[in-house]
Amino acid sequence: NAGVTQTPKFRILKIGQSMTLQCTQDMNHNYMYWYRQDPGMGLKLIYYSVGAGITDKGEVPNGYNVSRSTTEDFPLRLELAAPSQTSVYFCASSLAGEGDTQYFGPGTRLTVL
Amino acid sequence: LAKTTQPISMDSYEGQEVNITCSHNNIATNDYITWYQQFPSQGPRFIIQGYKTKVKNEVASLFIPADRKSSTLSLPRVSLSDTAVYYCLVENNNNDMRFGAGTRLTVKP
Repeated sequence: NAGVTQTPKFRILKIGQSMTLQCTQDMNHNYMYWYRQDPGMGLKLIYYSVGAGITDKGEVPNGYNVSRSTTEDFPLRLELAAPSQTSVYFCASSLAGEGDTQYFGPGTRLTVL
Repeated sequence: LAKTTQPISMDSYEGQEVNITCSHNNIATNDYITWYQQFPSQGPRFIIQGYKTKVKNEVASLFIPADRKSSTLSLPRVSLSDTAVYYCLVENNNNDMRFGAGTRLTVKP
């Protein structure tokens, strides 16, 4: 099993550009999450999904959109990139919510200039 | 959801026991406490989880006092490879979760 994979590993965007961060898991997990991690800070939850077709906002959803059309994939969309979105983005999955172990991908480092 | 507070950094030497405490004063009765380890340029990795009292696995122990306002991650006999950032996470069954800012542990030879 590859676990949780994320692409791309690095990306530089100009202000106002859009992009999609890809996340795929092969563990047949129901729950998937997107976090951002700013330097010296903990992870903040952007969006999560409890299953295909169901998504919900986390702590910091503004400026982002998600979709969950399949169990495996949970892409994160940035429509109008802003410098404040410069961060490292982590995708994670778990079999069940409610405190179940989360498995994280390797992250995507995004810089918006 | 409870705010989590951790020390910014800690130093230790190989072979010592390391205890990292996380404060979560307003923790609710249905909140879980989980600790993750993160190496540079990697995603966090699960270490241990608990609800109350003491939990132990092959790599760590987790102590949670009766009032649950704090939790302590204990790493026995650390090695250089334990140098990492350690995060505590408080979460409930409504998918509300709050990571601490992390404790950077440096293990010296």
